[in-house]
Amino acid sequence: NAGVMQNPRHLVRRRGQEARLRCSPMKGHSHVYWYRQLPEEGLKFMVYLQKENIIDESGMPKERFSAEFPKEGPSILRIQQVVRGDSAAYFCASSPRDIGTSYNEQFFGPGTRLTVL
Amino acid sequence: GESVGLHLPTLSVQEGDNSIINCAYSNSASDYFIWYKQESGKGPQFIIDIRSNMDKRQGQRVTVLLNKTVKHLSLQIAATQPGDSAVYFCAENKAAGNKLTFGGGTRVLVKP
Repeated sequence: NAGVMQNPRHLVRRRGQEARLRCSPMKGHSHVYWYRQLPEEGLKFMVYLQKENIIDESGMPKERFSAEFPKEGPSILRIQQVVRGDSAAYFCASSPRDIGTSYNEQFFGPGTRLTVL
Repeated sequence: GESVGLHLPTLSVQEGDNSIINCAYSNSASDYFIWYKQESGKGPQFIIDIRSNMDKRQGQRVTVLLNKTVKHLSLQIAATQPGDSAVYFCAENKAAGNKLTFGGGTRVLVKP
């Protein structure tokens, strides 16, 4: 059973370009989370999605950032018109379908390291 | 604002000794507290969690202690091994929303 997969692992963009980060959750998982990590810092929550629904986007910047998790295919985190401050590691996590418990363990992918030149 | 933070940024420990990593939190409404291990270039890896109504939980070579009176969380690693060298994060989770709030991390360096 493959873990959470993210691609690309490394992405280099010039200022003003678009970045698309992809995340395939673990098999059977229908909840996806995106986090951002700056060097030497902890992860910061960005957005929580279920299939075709954004559940919580309280951590997403108001502009340039968007996320989706379509019925088919991976979850996509899209950053338009990237700036140098967007350089970071972006991690995706997935958890199983909610079975009524208050907490579901989140399994993290290897991350995408975005560098903006 | 609500946050989860750590006291020590770096911890050096001799191989075979026990390690203790500390974490302070400010949100009393959290339901779960979780410890993650992150090795260089990798994503966080779940170590152990503890529910807010518990004081102690043990796993394989690890013990998590929760002191709600002083809002303090600790991770104890017994007989630390070179493979334990990593950055350790505490995180908290509330019942609604499922998002994790992470602390700033402690780097553990195991000396042979």
